Amino acid sequence: GAVVSQHPSRVICKSGTSVKIECRSLDFQATTMFWYRQFPKQSLMLMATSNEGSKATYEQGVEKDKFLINHASLTLSTLTVTSAHPEDSSFYICSASGTNYNSPLHFGNGTRLTVT
Amino acid sequence: AQTVTQSQPEMSVQEAETVTLSCTYDTSESNYYLFWYKQPPSRQMILVIRQEAYKQQNATENRFSVNFQKAAKSFSLKISDSQLGDTAMYFCAFMSGYNFNKFYFGSGTKLNVKP
Repeated sequence: GAVVSQHPSRVICKSGTSVKIECRSLDFQATTMFWYRQFPKQSLMLMATSNEGSKATYEQGVEKDKFLINHASLTLSTLTVTSAHPEDSSFYICSASGTNYNSPLHFGNGTRLTVT
Repeated sequence: AQTVTQSQPEMSVQEAETVTLSCTYDTSESNYYLFWYKQPPSRQMILVIRQEAYKQQNATENRFSVNFQKAAKSFSLKISDSQLGDTAMYFCAFMSGYNFNKFYFGSGTKLNVKP
């Protein structure tokens, strides 16, 4: 089945620094990738939709200058949390879709970000 | 806008018993897809079952089946012969047939399978 690799799985950083999270589709081409944020015991909240070769579409309330998304190829999307603050600490999950509109989302294993 | 509602924050079931998780949704679209995802403690999202809205027949995957009531906009998940490994968060999700792969998730139901 389709595999999505997300890296790193855990990261701890200091306030004010930036952190980059990678999401790769390993055995298929993903025209669209999605970034979610999940707080403890809560659902996945869609942050942005990333399309290869174009600007990401952010959901309402998500700061695009804080959460930079780049989707430079059909197999890689990155999320950079800039000038991280403790309130950015969360679980971030990426997902990818194939070119078949019937294909469901394939999720990465998530990244636990802790900002100290 | 689409909304997905899971009214049961947490449920428990004895091993080998059957449990049903509820999900309702609201949409004005006629072409859409519904999914149940499982998120165990590892946090990995795992697809459990999917249903196309245009299909009247309820989807079934081994011990997992759904009761899809399109008119009532209800999409419940039945787990038969519950196993300890079924312990997880379960999320109901809606995907538009017109804006595919943009998912809307419910708030989740924590299922505890007791030995």
